[in-house]
Amino acid sequence: RKEVEQDPGPFNVPEGATVAFNCTYSNSASQSFFWYRQDCRKEPKLLMSVYSSGNEDGRFTAQLNRASQYISLLIRDSKLSDSATYLCVVNLAGSQGNLIFGKGTKLSVKP
Amino acid sequence: DAGVTQSPTHLIKTRGQQVTLRCSPKSGHDTVSWYQQALGQGPQFIFQYYEEEERQRGNFPDRFSGHQFPNYSSELNVNALLLGDSALYLCASSSLDRGNEKLFFGSGTQLSVL
Repeated sequence: RKEVEQDPGPFNVPEGATVAFNCTYSNSASQSFFWYRQDCRKEPKLLMSVYSSGNEDGRFTAQLNRASQYISLLIRDSKLSDSATYLCVVNLAGSQGNLIFGKGTKLSVKP
Repeated sequence: DAGVTQSPTHLIKTRGQQVTLRCSPKSGHDTVSWYQQALGQGPQFIFQYYEEEERQRGNFPDRFSGHQFPNYSSELNVNALLLGDSALYLCASSSLDRGNEKLFFGSGTQLSVL
């Protein structure tokens, strides 16, 4: 079983749609959780950290369920500029900077 | 404030050759991590350097080696290149004081092995 698994995608949605990405992780010692965004042929950039209480940043909402080892990202009112690959990322306790990335889910927002 | 810079941006090598990639961390950061991203995959952790020493290592053979200099910049060396080493190599910098959790990535070096 892969350490971090994501929806395979690609997700093709119209502008204004709401889209949800799911991710599961296998190591219960995982301590920190993130969503990164990666544009084609560019470096990954931190989109948001994910907390047990859930957190929201504008149109983006992230949720963490430690019991189910499940992470989600919800994008509301999607824009053309949201088109990118979204990477689910986990950091094990004590690993300090050794991030484990999922394969990513590609999102394409169409006019 | 310069972010993480990597050089070169693109590189073409042939099997069996050796390559050196370079990285300068973001100002104020003392830790450098290297990742390999094959096409269609997420980045995979190679190793991390702090205080000029390798602190952690991922599941990569010892053909992959590195170095960190007193100014915190770093090099990644790959010997005896294989076709499967073709990938985007990403350098990420962070600060140990902040737990190294927030990584800032450079734009990467695209290595093609022919």
